[in-house]
This record gives sequence, C-alpha cells and structure tokens, in this order.
Amino acid sequence: DTGVSQDPRHKITKRGQNVTFRCDPISEHNRLYWYRQTLGQGPEFLTYFQNEAQLEKSRLLSDRFSAERPKGSFSTLEIQRTEQGDSAMYLCASSFPTSGSDEQYFGPGTRLTVT
Amino acid sequence: GNSVTQMEGPVTLSEEAFLTINCTYTATGYPSLFWYVQYPGEGLQLLLKATKADDKGSNKGFEATYRKETTSFHLEKGSVQVSDSAVYFCALSENYGQNFVFGPGTRLSVLP
Repeated sequence: DTGVSQDPRHKITKRGQNVTFRCDPISEHNRLYWYRQTLGQGPEFLTYFQNEAQLEKSRLLSDRFSAERPKGSFSTLEIQRTEQGDSAMYLCASSFPTSGSDEQYFGPGTRLTVT
Repeated sequence: GNSVTQMEGPVTLSEEAFLTINCTYTATGYPSLFWYVQYPGEGLQLLLKATKADDKGSNKGFEATYRKETTSFHLEKGSVQVSDSAVYFCALSENYGQNFVFGPGTRLSVLP
C-alpha cells in the first residue's frame, strides 16, 4: 500500500515532555499538510509544505510547535513542552495539486495524550 | 475568513432511508467543495468533490451539487446502508488547496 503513513499511531506523554511525529506522504505528492483534530470537531489546519518549503502556518501553531520537511519527502512535527491542551489527533495529508482542484489524501493520524 | 457549517448530528436512520446532510459555506472566492468520510477506526477518505458551480459530485450512491447561489453543497443518498455509518465532513479549498477548511462533521448511524 502506498498511501500516507504516520508514526507513531499513539503517543502518551507527560506534560512538559517533547514529542515528535513523522509523516510519509504518497511518493509523487509535492504538498504535505498537518492538521489537528479534537473529539467531535473537524480537522484544523496547522501548516503545509510545498516540496521542502513551509508556505503557510496557522495561528494555531504556537512557538512550541515546529514542522520540517528537509528533503521534500517525509515530514516531522515536533511539540515542545507539551501541555494537556495539546491532546488531540494529529493528521497528515498529501496532495499533488492540478488545475481546478486539490484532493488531499489523509494518513491514519497520531493520537497524542498528554497526562 | 472561510468557513463551513454542517447540520448537527448525530443523524440516526433506518436502513434504506433517504439521507440528506446539509452543508453551507462562506468563502471569499470560488472554492472547490468536498465531502470526506471517516469510518470507525479509519482515516479520512475523500467521498466526492465538485470544483465549480452546478457541478455534481457522486460516488458510492452519494451525490452533492455545488450551488453557488445558496452557497451550499448538501450530501444526499437515496437508500442508506448500515455500512454507511460514519462521520461525514464537508470541506472547501481555495487557491488549489492552500486554504483547506473543514466543517465540524456529522455522525451518521444507520440501524438495520
């Protein structure tokens, strides 16, 4: 299967610790997105990359959050000094935009629980 | 800013009933519109899409028509099945995906 993959699928951490998540997009996709989803809500946009360039960041992305896509392939999302409010599902999606549309393919997500 | 509003759930239907899930949007330009579905324990999957006014997206018996005059993209299915039980998200995208906004989701439960 060559879909979007995310690792780990679940992460439990104590408040104040740092965590890092990985996303591997579909290989030919040049855009990669990170979202956060809390229970009962739709995904909220965090940031996106076109190739290795981070083109947009949401106001939701505080200074404790950082994302990288160093070679334009996989991406990492790091959360420093985690807080209980960071508990959520973190979703990655990738796409190859064509004229008129941008269909995004989502990974299974990483569920973060901060205790 | 752009936004998407969906009817609140949960929606509970009997098998073979008709389904409508309302979705309206606010956008500054001419967005593409999408319905995504999330089955229990699985990731989001694209269900259907429409890229311009009056387009109809369809897949797996589901349909939605892009109505610019009412800024709506309601999801319909003539006869639901138990396997359609999932959470459905309406979404829009402008500028070839640079501004992707999701609605809050509507949970559908179909009873046998």
